[in-house]
Order: sequence, then C-alpha cells, then structure tokens
Amino acid sequence: DQQVKQNSPSLSVQEGRISILNCDYTNSMFDYFLWYKKYPAEGPTFLISISSIKDKNEDGRFTVFLNKSAKHLSLHIVPSQPGDSAVYFCAASRRDSNYQLIWGAGTKLIIKP
Amino acid sequence: DGGITQSPKYLFRKEGQNVTLSCEQNLNHDAMYWYRQDPGQGLRLIYYSQIVNDFQKGDIAEGYSVSREKKESFPLTVTSAQKNPTAFYLCASSSRLAGGRGQFFGPGTRLTVL
Repeated sequence: DQQVKQNSPSLSVQEGRISILNCDYTNSMFDYFLWYKKYPAEGPTFLISISSIKDKNEDGRFTVFLNKSAKHLSLHIVPSQPGDSAVYFCAASRRDSNYQLIWGAGTKLIIKP
Repeated sequence: DGGITQSPKYLFRKEGQNVTLSCEQNLNHDAMYWYRQDPGQGLRLIYYSQIVNDFQKGDIAEGYSVSREKKESFPLTVTSAQKNPTAFYLCASSSRLAGGRGQFFGPGTRLTVL
C-alpha cells in the first residue's frame, strides 16, 4: 500500500529550463510534506517543505505547490542547473505520528547541458 | 562540525552472520532513526528512538535489533533472521521538537551479504 507515489522514475531536463517533479498521496491525514534531494552513496538532504494549510512555498529556485483536493504536490526548480541532477524524494507526515515519515520511491532528475 | 557519521561506508558479510552498523551524532538530537533503501524504492523505517533507553519498531523491524544506551549513538544489528539484508542503510536524527519533520541524515552504509 503505497501512500506516497512518485510515478516518474526519471526525468530529463535541459539546463536553464524548468524541472517539475510530481508526487501523489492517498492518506488525507497527511498534514506536512517534504522534499529531499539525494546524491548517489550519500544520505538525503532536506530541500523544502510545505504545511497542509498552505498551497505554495518558495525558497530561491525551488517552489513546492500543494493541491489538497487532488492530493498532489509538485516541486518546481527554475532555472535547472547541472548540480540539480540527483534523486528527489517526496515524503509525508501525519500530525498524529510525529516521528514517522512516509516516503515516495524517488525521481531521478538529469539536467542536460 | 556537527553531523551524523555512519561507519563503515561499505560492509561485506557472509550469509548467516550478524553484523552491526554504527551511527553516531553530535547534534544533541534526542531522536534517531534507521532506514533501509532498496533500488527503486523509498526509504523504509526500521526502528526509531525518541529518547535514550527507548525505541520503537518501524515498518520493517523483523530481523533487526537496536540499542540506545547513549544519546549520541544508535547502532543497528542486522541479524541472520533478516531474509534480504543486502541494502543501503541510512541513519538519521532530529530534535524532539522537529520530530520526523526535521531529520538530518548520515552518509549511509551499503551492506552486501555474500
């Protein structure tokens, strides 16, 4: 039972263009969502998050959008840079389970020069 | 330099042997976590600990054991009962206030069972 789904295993984007990574969830109890970035053989690093009371959060080149009615969130990276090539994980948290995150399978982003 | 260290980075063991993975943090975090990552899958929680001398099972605890005798350390033992132990293991920590929403990760240990 995959509660958090990232349906695109990989995405290839031209340098300078916009990268859009998608994430869908099924559990309406999720109230907080996070995006992590991971390079090979390293641990994930936190990128950006959003609370369910918001529909958008922006941090520099990174913007996360949340559509609660569709149970969908997306991460926009603009402009895309070569250093953005990594695996991006979407994760969700429930207000009644403070210590547990539910993770998507990840999307491998490749930025082409 | 605060952070989380995991050692070793690569570990090879023979089938049927127990193996212990190390995780140490100097961030003064109360909570620590162990995850497993397999190719094409998200991270799955094995065990977590909110405080010293206490820990809870995650989604895939079978075949694993942990201890939390010190705040800084949360070692994971992969026992011979774990049917598919070959994987990438990640340790994380967070403050009690942030909980799971503020996790910092170590570099990981890749375990290969031959």
